[in-house]
Amino acid sequence: DAKTTQPPSMDCAEGRAANLPCNHSTISGNEYVYWYRQIHSQGPQYIIHGLKNNETNEMASLIITEDRKSSTLILPHATLRDTAVYYCIVRANNAGNMLTFGGGTRLMVKP
Amino acid sequence: KAGVTQTPRYLIKTRGQQVTLSCSPISGHRSVSWYQQTPGQGLQFLFEYFSETQRNKGNFPGRFSGRQFSNSRSEMNVSTLELGDSALYLCASSLEGHPNTGELFFGEGSRLTVL
Repeated sequence: DAKTTQPPSMDCAEGRAANLPCNHSTISGNEYVYWYRQIHSQGPQYIIHGLKNNETNEMASLIITEDRKSSTLILPHATLRDTAVYYCIVRANNAGNMLTFGGGTRLMVKP
Repeated sequence: KAGVTQTPRYLIKTRGQQVTLSCSPISGHRSVSWYQQTPGQGLQFLFEYFSETQRNKGNFPGRFSGRQFSNSRSEMNVSTLELGDSALYLCASSLEGHPNTGELFFGEGSRLTVL
């Protein structure tokens, strides 16, 4: 799986949008971008994934650049409960469930 | 619908002992994977099982083993425990649809302390 690069930490004000960047410059054509988050002492939670089109669900939006070398996860109205470590992962869709987690971004939402 | 259930949640062992951890996937999920999380190495993939067969294996020594039963429940075993095996062990399950969406559902983990 391709390597991803994320900032180690970010802050966001409660109620504002949180924009979490991810660089995956060596991504292959058959690799998807996945985002998971891990709230302290819990198992990781799936957020969203995409291939090349922007995606949106009830939790977040995923913006993937046209060259697919980077992406941004957007939490439109961050709450204190969104404080977590966010992981960006790239993975081929036929790679089973072997995910390679990097260091992630520790997002702190502040009141 | 019940989530992924892992037992035990916490356990303490001493060096040289062995441990068995259990994972019950979400009903209907046929794939189970295991991960180890430590402060130093982060989240690392151990192995994945589908239909009682190991499908993928991470870079861990042979002391780490697992299996899956016909009801999709899975166990992992660590023999000859070392201090460095202290970690949170996470189990995840998924549907094996076509196409595979890749969404994993994680349990709360089993926290192992080796003294």
